[in-house]
Amino acid sequence: DGGITQSPKYLFRKEGQNVTLSCEQNLNHDAMYWYRQDPGQGLRLIYYSQIVNDFQKGDIAEGYSVSREKKESFPLTVTSAQKNPTAFYLCASSREGGYGYTFGSGTRLTVV
Amino acid sequence: GENVEQHPSTLSVQEGDSAVIKCTYSDSASNYFPWYKQELGKRPQLIIDIRSNVGEKKDQRIAVTLNKTAKHFSLHITETQPEDSAVYFCARRGGGTSYGKLTFGQGTILTVHP
Repeated sequence: DGGITQSPKYLFRKEGQNVTLSCEQNLNHDAMYWYRQDPGQGLRLIYYSQIVNDFQKGDIAEGYSVSREKKESFPLTVTSAQKNPTAFYLCASSREGGYGYTFGSGTRLTVV
Repeated sequence: GENVEQHPSTLSVQEGDSAVIKCTYSDSASNYFPWYKQELGKRPQLIIDIRSNVGEKKDQRIAVTLNKTAKHFSLHITETQPEDSAVYFCARRGGGTSYGKLTFGQGTILTVHP
């Protein structure tokens, strides 16, 4: 589905739980990104990775963690330290330099 | 810094009218400016982009203009149609350690009335 797949589409989390969102791409892109989307606030960068085994914090990294063990995969863990995790999470990948930015279809996370 | 300010936050037009959305940035190292369209519940999709060495780019009914001196860029949609209704995001890419990373504006909800 567009070369970048996010799963699950919907996710429900109980307070105090950690949950992991999956992001896989087959575009051979070097860089991958996680964004959070809230109404009226646009897309805010959580973490990004420009190369395997390396990643950097974005603007709102607190309460989140990532790993980049494979070029194709960039999972995001929403930890219990994230106090307001209910949001729409978008994963993206790009060629070097940020060209060809492609988004996944998103995961909607709800705390119950 | 790296922030992008986008205006207006909502825009309502009649079918056939033009729509203009403007974004401003402060980092003079910004060198790439894409625009994305996001329909309800779907992923953002690239509709047009412009690099800093170009002042204007057109693709059928959409165009983007860039004023590097004033640090702003705009999306122009002509002959709007109801299917143009969506949220539009501008973005910019910087240089240096932020190379490759896009910073997005807050989005504009465009509604085209038939």
